[in-house]
Amino acid sequence: EAGVTQSPTHLIKTRGQQATLRCSPISGHTSVYWYQQALGLGLQFLLWYDEGEERNRGNFPPRFSGRQFPNYSSELNVNALELEDSALYLCASSIQGVGEQYFGPGTRLTVT
Amino acid sequence: AQSVTQLGSHVSVSEGALVLLRCNYSSSVPPYLFWYVQYPNQGLQLLLKYTSAATLVKGINGFEAEFKKSETSFHLTKPSAHMRDAAEYFCAVSGGNQGGKLIFGQGTELSVKP
Repeated sequence: EAGVTQSPTHLIKTRGQQATLRCSPISGHTSVYWYQQALGLGLQFLLWYDEGEERNRGNFPPRFSGRQFPNYSSELNVNALELEDSALYLCASSIQGVGEQYFGPGTRLTVT
Repeated sequence: AQSVTQLGSHVSVSEGALVLLRCNYSSSVPPYLFWYVQYPNQGLQLLLKYTSAATLVKGINGFEAEFKKSETSFHLTKPSAHMRDAAEYFCAVSGGNQGGKLIFGQGTELSVKP
């Protein structure tokens, strides 16, 4: 069984630009979660999507947004990039928002 | 609100020694509790989970954890450390009105000395 996949592996952007990160969940999982792992700040919850709808949102500004597609894959968009957005962005999936979450390898975003 | 505290940001043990990583949680409802491991430059791998069944939970790679409600703890142990166990370990809680999200502790980096 294929695990959670994320693309790209690395992304380098300039301050003020937009970044788009992509995630494909495990087959059969309808929920996708996004987390930010920034140096010194730990793992912070960003967004939760289930059945195409945003179900919950963490304490992040509106320039962090995303969507979930009919095939349950998801993308995370970060607008007006700031230096402090540099982090590892992890995507996870689960069955209908219940139980354990399985994580992808992450996308390393560097903002210069 | 739910929260997780991991005692000790760094733990160092000798190869073959007992591994004990501490996790305490705060929750007003019966929690789901998890331990994840993160190797350098990788995502998180699920080690084990507690979902209100047996209080002693066995996971992968020889790890286990015991849920103690009276102590609000979910400590992770392994009888004998291997060099390959060197990684960062995260305790997490979900449940209640947290909306499906996991709340993570700050992580404990485990070093294993030869």
